[in-house]
Amino acid sequence: GENVEQHPSTLSVQEGDSAVIKCTYSDSASNYFPWYKQELGKRPQLIIDIRSNVGEKKDQRIAVTLNKTAKHFSLHITETQPEDSAVYFCAAISNTGNQFYFGTGTSLTVIP
Amino acid sequence: SAVISQKPSRDICQRGTSLTIQCQVDSQVTMMFWYRQQPGQSLTLIATANQGSEATYESGFVIDKFPISRPNLTFSTLTVSNMSPEDSSIYLCSVKVSYNEQFFGPGTRLTVL
Repeated sequence: GENVEQHPSTLSVQEGDSAVIKCTYSDSASNYFPWYKQELGKRPQLIIDIRSNVGEKKDQRIAVTLNKTAKHFSLHITETQPEDSAVYFCAAISNTGNQFYFGTGTSLTVIP
Repeated sequence: SAVISQKPSRDICQRGTSLTIQCQVDSQVTMMFWYRQQPGQSLTLIATANQGSEATYESGFVIDKFPISRPNLTFSTLTVSNMSPEDSSIYLCSVKVSYNEQFFGPGTRLTVL
C-alpha cells in the first residue's frame, strides 16, 4: 500500500516568516493530495488540496506544490500568524480513490 | 462540504464494557469512514462503512472488536467492544464528497479506566 512520510515533525517560526512542510509518497498511482489543519481538541479541517494534473495551487497565504516525478508535495504558509499554530497532516489517496493515507503530522508553532 | 455530527462527544467507560458511537451527516454520502487518533498521533483508518453490506476493515482491526453499522446513506455507528485502556483514543467518522474531498466529524474522546 501507500506510505506517506512527513517532515518535520515539529516546526517553530517567528510570526511573519514562512513555513514549509514536506511529504513524500510511495505509490505513483496516487492522484489526490490534501492537507489538513488540526487545532488542539478540534477535528482535522481540509485547508487545501492538489490533484496530480496540477503542479501548484495557491489560496491566499497557503500554497501546495507537487512533484510527481519525485513523488513529493509540500505545503507553504507565508506571512505566518499565531492562529496558524496547529498540527498539519498531509495525505495521499490510493488509486482506488477511497482510502486516505495520512502523514505523521507536523506541529507548527508561530511565535508572536 | 457536509455537516457531520457525532454522539457522544466524550465518554469515560469501564474496561470490559462496550460503547457505540453515532455519526450523522446532513446529506446522503456514498463513502463513510471511521478513524482512530491516539494522543499526539496521526489518523489511522479503522474501516470503511458500506451501506447495505459489511464494513471493510483495515489490517489490525476486526469486526468482533469494532462492529460497524451503516443502515442508510446519512448514518453510521461504530461500537468499541470489550474495551481496555488501550482503546482510549479519539474516534472520528469522515465522509467523502465530490471529487475526493473528505470531511471529518468532531470526534468522540473515549477514556477507558
